[in-house]
Amino acid sequence: GAGVSQSPSNKVTEKGKDVELRCDPISGHTALYWYRQSLGQGLEFLIYFQGNSAPDKSGLPSDRFSAERTGGSVSTLTIQRTQQEDSAVYLCASIQTQGYNEQFFGPGTRLTVL
Amino acid sequence: RKEVEQDPGPFNVPEGATVAFNCTYSNSASQSFFWYRQDCRKEPKLLMSVYSSGNEDGRFTAQLNRASQYISLLIRDSKLSDSATYLCVVNIMTSYIPTFGRGTSLIVHP
Repeated sequence: GAGVSQSPSNKVTEKGKDVELRCDPISGHTALYWYRQSLGQGLEFLIYFQGNSAPDKSGLPSDRFSAERTGGSVSTLTIQRTQQEDSAVYLCASIQTQGYNEQFFGPGTRLTVL
Repeated sequence: RKEVEQDPGPFNVPEGATVAFNCTYSNSASQSFFWYRQDCRKEPKLLMSVYSSGNEDGRFTAQLNRASQYISLLIRDSKLSDSATYLCVVNIMTSYIPTFGRGTSLIVHP
C-alpha cells in the first residue's frame, strides 16, 4: 500500500516568505508527527497530532510555526516569515494507533531559505 | 544527561566484520525500543524492534538490558550496504512522543 507522502519534496524560498508543507499519512493511521532535521543533526520533534487534535505542540520553535490536521488525515505545517535558520529537512511520520508502535516516515521536504 | 545517548561514531569497519552499537536511556519508565536505519539524505526506516528477551533478524541482533538501561545492536558479517546511520528510539510510558538518539554512523569499507 501507499506509504507516507510529503510535498513538495524540495522548496527554495526567500527569507521573509511563508511556506506550507504537506503530509499525507498512511490511510487509517491515527497519530501523526512532524520533525525537523538539520544537516548532520538528529531529529527534532516539532508537533504531534492524535486525530485532528494536537496534544503536544511543545517542539514548535517559535510562533512563526503552526500546523493543522483535517479529517484525521492530511496535515500541513506552515512557517511564516521564514528565516535562514529554518532551512532543514522537515519529516512527517504516522503511526497506526496511539501507543508505542513503529513510526512510518515520509521522504521529507527539503526547505532552503535564501 | 540526555534522555537517549548514542556514540555518534563513525564506526569504520571492513566488510565481513562484526560491529556493535549501544544506546543508553535515562528514563526507567521506558516502555518500548526500536532501532531505525537512516541512509544519507533519506528518511529513517525501521530496522527492528527490541524485545525484552532479545531478538534476531538475519545478521542483526538486538538486545535490551533494563537493569543497566541500554539497548544494543549487533551486526554480523557487515556488508557495504550496511553503511548508514543507526538511530535508537525509546518510548516512555507517560508520553506518546518517541525519543530519538542522535544516531551512530557506520561506514563499511571493502
